[in-house]
Amino acid sequence: SAVISQKPSRDICQRGTSLTIQCQVDSQVTMMFWYRQQPGQSLTLIATANQGSEATYESGFVIDKFPISRPNLTFSTLTVSNMSPEDSSIYLCSVDVLQGSSYEQYFGPGTRLTVT
Amino acid sequence: DAKTTQPPSMDCAEGRAANLPCNHSTISGNEYVYWYRQIHSQGPQYIIHGLKNNETNEMASLIITEDRKSSTLILPHATLRDTAVYYCIAAYSGNMRFGAGTRLTVKP
Repeated sequence: SAVISQKPSRDICQRGTSLTIQCQVDSQVTMMFWYRQQPGQSLTLIATANQGSEATYESGFVIDKFPISRPNLTFSTLTVSNMSPEDSSIYLCSVDVLQGSSYEQYFGPGTRLTVT
Repeated sequence: DAKTTQPPSMDCAEGRAANLPCNHSTISGNEYVYWYRQIHSQGPQYIIHGLKNNETNEMASLIITEDRKSSTLILPHATLRDTAVYYCIAAYSGNMRFGAGTRLTVKP
């Protein structure tokens, strides 16, 4: 398994500002993922972040709005840029851990963002 | 990832077995069936996964049909703390794509 922490756990931000969310894992992992969960909705994958390469974004998400860094195998950041109230969500990071011949994905506790 | 279909909600009596169904008729040969759950406002929690054979761990059992087109997650003795949204996902690895899941309510 993997233990994942996120900072901040929650924040209230004004529209037009940016927030950087940090994700720290207790072991080295190749693949990290960022998800968004809007109020009352399921999780939506934003992007996949591999160390040493550009993040791969899902349809509907762009790098200018959600820049991601992956400086090493235990850390990643997601920035929510030029925020609007529609960005109010829980943002979660997750990692893939190889267990035997298959993967298990583990999630952080999430960052609850409210944009006013 | 193959699309999965789950009932939107289910109830279960405390102490009874909770059987959560999932259809994944378009699952490909190398895709596993994963189950996660999300208790209110927390990050999703891994429960179990399997490829072909039935699997059991300390949390649950996973029964996969022989044609792999459907599966059932079994919580053998549901408790109030098992109230959560349960997600069934067919995937090979990583970048799990979550559907709406099944909201399981365990009642006293």
